Amino acid sequence: QVQLQESGPGLVKPSETLSLTCTVSGYSISSGYYWGWIRQPPGKGLEWIGSIYHGGNIYNNPSLKSRVTISVDTSKNQFSLKLSSVTAADTAVYYCARGDSFAIFGVVTYYFDYWGQGTLVTVSS
Amino acid sequence: DIVMTQSPDSLAVSLGERATINCKSGQSVLYSSNNKNYLAWYQQKPGQPPKLLIYWASTRESGVPDRFSGSGSGTDFTLTISSLQAEDVAVYYCQQYYSIPLTFGQGTRLEIK
Repeated sequence: QVQLQESGPGLVKPSETLSLTCTVSGYSISSGYYWGWIRQPPGKGLEWIGSIYHGGNIYNNPSLKSRVTISVDTSKNQFSLKLSSVTAADTAVYYCARGDSFAIFGVVTYYFDYWGQGTLVTVSS
Repeated sequence: DIVMTQSPDSLAVSLGERATINCKSGQSVLYSSNNKNYLAWYQQKPGQPPKLLIYWASTRESGVPDRFSGSGSGTDFTLTISSLQAEDVAVYYCQQYYSIPLTFGQGTRLEIK
C-alpha cells in the first residue's frame, strides 16, 4: 500500500525558507508517477504548488513564481519542497501526494490518488 | 489559469436523500483528441487529507461506494451522492487537470439536515 509522510519544521520565521520532505513507502518513486505538493491555508481551499518526476521533470505553479524548489532523492525514496522568502500568507497545511499523470498539449497533468496526512507549517516570528 | 467554481458553497441534506454538488470550469476541460474530461472530485473530512473519489469526470476510484457518481462534460460537472450517509459529511472539491497550473474549486461543505 502506498503511503506518504511529510516531515519538517512546524514553525518558520518570515523571510526564511520553508523546507519539507515527503517519504514514500510501498512504492518506488523511480517506478513512475509524478509526486506533488499541495497546500491548504487554515479553513480555506487547496492550492497546487508543484510536482516532480523521478527523472527531474518539474512543473510549478506560476503564482509562487521562483520561490519554489522541488527535488527528488530516489535513493531515499523521498522528494522535497523548499519555499523561500515566506510570509504569513504561506501558513498552511502542506500535503504531499502522488499524481496519476497524463500528457496533454505537450505537458503532463495529473490528479492525486494518494496523499500524506499533511503537516501544518506556521510562519511567525 | 482555469478558474473552478463550485455551487453551492454549503449544502444540508437529510439522511437517505440525494445530494448534488456542481462545478463549473472557466474553460472547457474536454480534450477532443480522446474525448475525455480532465476533471476529478475529492472528499475531505475534518482533520484528514483529501480523498480521490472520481476522475475523468465520471470514473469512480477503486473502493469508492457506488452511491457516489460524477457526470457532465465541457465546462459543467456534477457530483451526486444518491443516498446520503452520515459518513459523507465532508467538504468536496473538484479539480481540473486539463492544464497547468492545476486548479481546485473553492469547496462545498456538505452537512446533515
